[in-house]
Amino acid sequence: EPEVTQTPSHQVTQMGQEVILRCVPISNHLYFYWYRQILGQKVEFLVSFYNNEISEKSEIFDDQFSVERPDGSNFTLKIRSTKLEDSAMYFCASSEDHSSNYGYTFGSGTRLTVV
Amino acid sequence: KNEVEQSPQNLTAQEGEFITINCSYSVGISALHWLQQHPGGGIVSLFMLSSGKKKHGRLIATINIQEKHSSLHITASHPRDSAVYICAVNGGGADGLTFGKGTHLIIQP
Repeated sequence: EPEVTQTPSHQVTQMGQEVILRCVPISNHLYFYWYRQILGQKVEFLVSFYNNEISEKSEIFDDQFSVERPDGSNFTLKIRSTKLEDSAMYFCASSEDHSSNYGYTFGSGTRLTVV
Repeated sequence: KNEVEQSPQNLTAQEGEFITINCSYSVGISALHWLQQHPGGGIVSLFMLSSGKKKHGRLIATINIQEKHSSLHITASHPRDSAVYICAVNGGGADGLTFGKGTHLIIQP
């Protein structure tokens, strides 16, 4: 069964450093998403991406964050100047379409720890 | 903004019991998702519903659009069903999902 692949599975970074989280969505999927889950809290939407541009973003997704699909297969989330409160599990997801006819496939997540 | 509420927050049951987890939301949606999250953290999609009922193995999901309510049932529960079950809703368009806090289910042998 096709999978969404995320790398790395764990990342530890110093506060103030930049991190790039990588995702390879399912090849025929057109919509891509990033979500985050702070430990003990619910999953939160960050951003959706379609046709090489951001479709929607939440209030969490401020200027510190950016997304890119650099080469037609990878989908990346960049966090500039990380803060302690950025520590969370980050999930990538993809879907064929945003309509109710298609489900989501989630990656296994990247656990980011900012120290 | 949609508010998604799940109940119960925690549920411990004995193997073989019939399990029901409930989800309610405040604003009309295009689809509702039931997801499973294991201790390792990965999220697996179980169901996506826009109406009626779906069944997969021992899992059954129902939705009542008028009442803005969905239930996830597990028949003949087994310890391997122990996980966090999350309800999430899609308001339509390219908006991301809005998630509930999850129900932490433990099935004891």
